[in-house]
Amino acid sequence: DIQMTQSPSSVSASVGDRVTITCRASQDVDRWLVWYQQRPGQAPKRLIYAASSLESGVPPRFGGSGSGTDFTLTISSLQPEDFATYFCQQTITFPITFGQGTRLEIK
Amino acid sequence: EVQLVESGGGLVKPGGSLRLSCAASGFTFSDYSMNWVRQAPGEGLEWVSSISSSSNSRYYADSVKGRFTISRDNAKNSVYLQMNSLRAEDTAVYYCVGGGGCSHWGQGTLVTVSS
Repeated sequence: DIQMTQSPSSVSASVGDRVTITCRASQDVDRWLVWYQQRPGQAPKRLIYAASSLESGVPPRFGGSGSGTDFTLTISSLQPEDFATYFCQQTITFPITFGQGTRLEIK
Repeated sequence: EVQLVESGGGLVKPGGSLRLSCAASGFTFSDYSMNWVRQAPGEGLEWVSSISSSSNSRYYADSVKGRFTISRDNAKNSVYLQMNSLRAEDTAVYYCVGGGGCSHWGQGTLVTVSS
């Protein structure tokens, strides 16, 4: 199975800050990498697919990059609604696997 | 608008069974594979099972293999998860996910396995 490791597990930041979350795969997943946002009590929402493609309707302050085993999600200027938990996911092979999540908290 | 609506969750005793259903609308259901993903209380996301658009291929997490069965009915735009021999560790919110590359998620249905 492909292990997905996110870092950090949690981060505190302020409105307007730039935040970067990383996701590392234990094997090459090419660009089969998805990022989700999950707010408390809600279902996950897809933000980024194919490592860097922005989902329709997602603000451009969200950006994804990487290929192979190393990926990043960057939020360029945090807004109040961005405080949530973020997950990465590989979809290149079964079993599909997720990172453990990164909780983004208000400083 | 794409909608995925799960139903069938509830409280069940260890060793019992439940059948989850997911009704899809707003996209051509028969064109896409479908998935179930679960989230235990306060935990991360765990992929459970996937089924191809024509039901030719089905995949399961090791944790549910032999106990859970995924199926679909393209005429009814629905996907199902039959869960047998349930354990306490199966307690979670179960999400129906699909629409191409896990693009759309339902709101989830809670399954609680407890005596």
